Amino acid sequence: GAGVSQSPSNKVTEKGKDVELRCDPISGHTALYWYRQRLGQGLEFLIYFQGNSAPDKSGLPSDRFSAERTGESVSTLTIQRTQQEDSAVYLCASSHAGGYNEQFFGPGTRLTVL
Amino acid sequence: GIQVEQSPPDLILQEGANSTLRCNFSDSVNNLQWFHQNPWGQLINLFYIPSGTKQNGRLSATTVATERYSLLYISSSQTTDSGVYFCAVGFFSSNTGKLIFGQGTTLQVKP
Repeated sequence: GAGVSQSPSNKVTEKGKDVELRCDPISGHTALYWYRQRLGQGLEFLIYFQGNSAPDKSGLPSDRFSAERTGESVSTLTIQRTQQEDSAVYLCASSHAGGYNEQFFGPGTRLTVL
Repeated sequence: GIQVEQSPPDLILQEGANSTLRCNFSDSVNNLQWFHQNPWGQLINLFYIPSGTKQNGRLSATTVATERYSLLYISSSQTTDSGVYFCAVGFFSSNTGKLIFGQGTTLQVKP
């Protein structure tokens, strides 16, 4: 596709349930990033994938968060046993290889944990 | 620690006015981007500018990497310029390309 796509656009879940968020990067972009934006805040880095290298997971807030990426395509972010503080917009970005290249963002998934 | 600070936090302008938004950062950078977040939450790329000066229509940006700041200029502002402007920085000291975001400048342009 022309841009980064994410699904679902909105997700409402109950505390304690697991959720899975999906990101489809721009074709040809080998680097993929997940960020989180809490209400009224800037974005916080979560995880970075680059090709077949080991991902940088340094931003994941707890072991309830995990992410996978198959090759250089789709990525999924999974949050287990959701808590109310997980409520936020989760944004995905992609770029060409190399950490210094311009990143392009998807529309985000708004997660609400009741 | 690594920091990105934006100023001012809030800005109210009359349509047609000019403005300057500032981003200060604490270390050497290999990436600096300016974004506009529209009311629907979409981040729109304005500039990729780790150094130098760029212009795009009514917008322009300058990054002086040696002095660790970047400026975003908006001229002849329009109501559609309203929203939140973010500066995001990638640092050489990071092993990956993660961006560190400032807290944003919320701009309101009144007709």
